[in-house]
Amino acid sequence: GAGVSQSPSNKVTEKGKDVELRCDPISGHTALYWYRQSLGQGLEFLIYFQGNSAPDKSGLPSDRFSAERTGGSVSTLTIQRTQQEDSAVYLCASSPGGSGGLGEQFFGPGTRLTVL
Amino acid sequence: QQQVKQSPQSLIVQKGGIPIINCAYENTAFDYFPWYQQFPGKGPALLIAIRPDVSEKKEGRFTISFNKSAKQFSLHIMDSQPGDSATYFCAATVIYGGATNKLIFGTGTLLAVQP
Repeated sequence: GAGVSQSPSNKVTEKGKDVELRCDPISGHTALYWYRQSLGQGLEFLIYFQGNSAPDKSGLPSDRFSAERTGGSVSTLTIQRTQQEDSAVYLCASSPGGSGGLGEQFFGPGTRLTVL
Repeated sequence: QQQVKQSPQSLIVQKGGIPIINCAYENTAFDYFPWYQQFPGKGPALLIAIRPDVSEKKEGRFTISFNKSAKQFSLHIMDSQPGDSATYFCAATVIYGGATNKLIFGTGTLLAVQP
């Protein structure tokens, strides 16, 4: 597609349930990032993929959060046993390359997660 | 040291005015400084970016001024229009020698341009 796409656009879940958020990056982009945007914390980095590997997971807030990327393309962010503090907009971004690249990151529209 | 401080939190200008948003950083390893524009319900969109080897960059009505010694950079919007009303985020990252290029964002500035 022309840009980064994310699904679903909105997700409402009950506390304790697991959720999966999907990101389709721009075709050919090898780098993929997940960020979280919340009122109290602003925009925070969660995890970085280069190809299918995740050399930087330092932003994941707890072991309830995990992510994978397959085929160097689609990525899924999974949150297990969701808590109310997980409510936020989860943003995915992709970039043409990793270290040494231009650094331009292009964002998707985000998934708004609400945990009741 | 990873923080990027952004001010003001909010800004109101009249149409045609020149809003200025300021950011400051501590990490001297940062070598790429983008600005993003975000409309409600949308993801951030890359607006303009600068590397520390230049002091100013212009793209259309948007200008970044960069002061390496002061570790500060700012966004100026010339001839602002109501359609520029959005939230603006500065960011910083390490490109050369960096492992991940993860963006460190400022806290955002909500800009309102009144007609």
